[in-house]
Amino acid sequence: AQSVAQPEDQVNVAEGNPLTVKCTYSVSGNPYLFWYVQYPNRGLQFLLKYITGDNLVKGSYGFEAEFNKSQTSFHLKKPSALVSDSALYFCAVNTGFQKLVFGTGTRLLVSP
Amino acid sequence: NAGVTQTPKFRVLKTGQSMTLLCAQDMNHEYMYWYRQDPGMGLRLIHYSVGEGTTAKGEVPDGYNVSRLKKQNFLLGLESAAPSQTSVYFCASTPGQASSQFFGPGTRLTVL
Repeated sequence: AQSVAQPEDQVNVAEGNPLTVKCTYSVSGNPYLFWYVQYPNRGLQFLLKYITGDNLVKGSYGFEAEFNKSQTSFHLKKPSALVSDSALYFCAVNTGFQKLVFGTGTRLLVSP
Repeated sequence: NAGVTQTPKFRVLKTGQSMTLLCAQDMNHEYMYWYRQDPGMGLRLIHYSVGEGTTAKGEVPDGYNVSRLKKQNFLLGLESAAPSQTSVYFCASTPGQASSQFFGPGTRLTVL
């Protein structure tokens, strides 16, 4: 079965420092991978996706993600964290019919 | 464009009661989805639709039914609510072809 794993329930980082939120995947074939963000009491918002091509994908709000086929990873990164980046982040993989399987989520806390 | 809207935003039911959640999108998307979000479990797919008049089961379909009589609407029904169905329900839509999904704001349902 196709799946993604987010090994960290929470990531803490100081404002201005770089951040990484980890995601690994298990799929057959070429994966379509996504990152979404959820702010409190809101729906999910799309950040970025990897379909094919360049392994470094740039997305909204200064986020980027690196697709690594050999390590089956798709980690989310940002060079300089903001307090307003504090939210719940989900990695997801497309499993056909545009269906998504989500990871369990990682809570990012950025301290001032 | 309103995007994806959900009605109602909150609801409290007693065990055994029934209700219908309405999802509407004004983006002419073919694909629509219903998810539930529970703490520590990410989002899990309940049912989905690949076009008007079609529905299919997702990962956790038991206790739910859906209908998509019009392209813009996707209804989720609970025939006999159970406390285990206490959750936050999200609707999403996408045009397909590896596009991202657009999410509604969610419905918080409590079953007593």
